[in-house]
Amino acid sequence: EAGVAQSPRYKIIEKRQSVAFWCNPISGHATLYWYQQILGQGPKLLIQFQNNGVVDDSQLPKDRFSAERLKGVDSTLKIQPAKLEDSAVYLCASSPVGSYSNQPQHFGDGTRLSIL
Amino acid sequence: AQSVTQLDSQVPVFEEAPVELRCNYSSSVSVYLFWYVQYPNQGLQLLLKYLSGSTLVKGINGFEAEFNKSQTSFHLRKPSVHISDTAEYFCAVSGSNTDKLIFGTGTRLQVFP
Repeated sequence: EAGVAQSPRYKIIEKRQSVAFWCNPISGHATLYWYQQILGQGPKLLIQFQNNGVVDDSQLPKDRFSAERLKGVDSTLKIQPAKLEDSAVYLCASSPVGSYSNQPQHFGDGTRLSIL
Repeated sequence: AQSVTQLDSQVPVFEEAPVELRCNYSSSVSVYLFWYVQYPNQGLQLLLKYLSGSTLVKGINGFEAEFNKSQTSFHLRKPSVHISDTAEYFCAVSGSNTDKLIFGTGTRLQVFP
């Protein structure tokens, strides 16, 4: 089966600019996650969707970050305006079923964002 | 709330030697534990998971881990490592009341010839 697809793989922007990332989960996976991985740290959950509804966005900086999953399939994560501390790898993951299933999450290769 | 501590940020080891990567967790509810591996410029790949049952869990690439509830540990082991095992390893925990994965800070395994 095809894995989680993310694009772009790399992005370089200047601070205060905006940027968007795209994720296409594994076909049929109901749950989609966006993580931020800062260099030298483990991934940190930004937002979790189940189908097209938000389950958890408690750690999403909502003043500058937004995410949507229209039609419950692919998803976009946007940052506007970007700050230097947003430099990180943004990982998308998906899992087959809904909440509390503890099904393993399948990760994409991520988008590496550099802010100048 | 759950948390994970990976005690070693880097573990250097020679090829064919055994290795143990340490992970301790804390949780107020029943836990589910995972080890993921991340190769350079790639996403995370699941090595193994503990949900319930036998405390010794076997995963891919010859890795295994043992869940120890009394010591709140889930250490990852491999009896003989290869150069290709060089990567970043992350321990993660979730609980019976959440899907949310909490990751440790990672351990970089460097295998030398």
